[in-house]
Amino acid sequence: DAGITQSPRHKVTETGTPVTLRCHQTENHRYMYWYRQDPGHGLRLIHYSYGVKDTDKGEVSDGYSVSRSKTEDFLLTLESATSSQTSVYFCAISDLDFTEAFFGQGTRLTVV
Amino acid sequence: KNQVEQSPQSLIILEGKNCTLQCNYTVSPFSNLRWYKQDTGRGPVSLTIMTFSENTKSNGRYTATLDADTKQSSLHITASQLSDSASYICVVTTSGTYKYIFGTGTRLKVLA
Repeated sequence: DAGITQSPRHKVTETGTPVTLRCHQTENHRYMYWYRQDPGHGLRLIHYSYGVKDTDKGEVSDGYSVSRSKTEDFLLTLESATSSQTSVYFCAISDLDFTEAFFGQGTRLTVV
Repeated sequence: KNQVEQSPQSLIILEGKNCTLQCNYTVSPFSNLRWYKQDTGRGPVSLTIMTFSENTKSNGRYTATLDADTKQSSLHITASQLSDSASYICVVTTSGTYKYIFGTGTRLKVLA
């Protein structure tokens, strides 16, 4: 695997609580992404970052926020978790030419 | 609308047999097409990547083809092994952007 670490790998949380997922890379790639993967859907982009403090929304960004204060770290926050946010979350990275996207191992989040 | 469709949704084959997975896309402007393998509980891992001018690419027992005119790609697996049991995801990228458009995948199960 490319140098991407997601934490935690598994989390169970209660509805209404805030949750933060972390993605850490050692590849110095400029672009970082958060996706969610649900049965019957392809991976869907939540947010992405094209540099430190530069982020933008993806197709399913409602209820999520992100921050990137360092090149290597990209945080995904669920401000108030809902059951519809139960999913597997993947972080990915790519360099400027977009020729390759490397994925982390995923975080399985369950909101009860 | 940019879309990637894969067929079949699932497939069961016997060890040692060959199989072909299909990907049709309506992405424009087209940049490249990738096939990823995703083992259960893990992130996707790239198998092949093809640009507009390439019509075939191999990676061991995996051979991908691309017909840019008909906007179709296939992934052929030769002499399947138990370890080939996974989901295979087709991903298309639009030119010069971060946008990776994912198919929903084909779940392959190889039986002994």
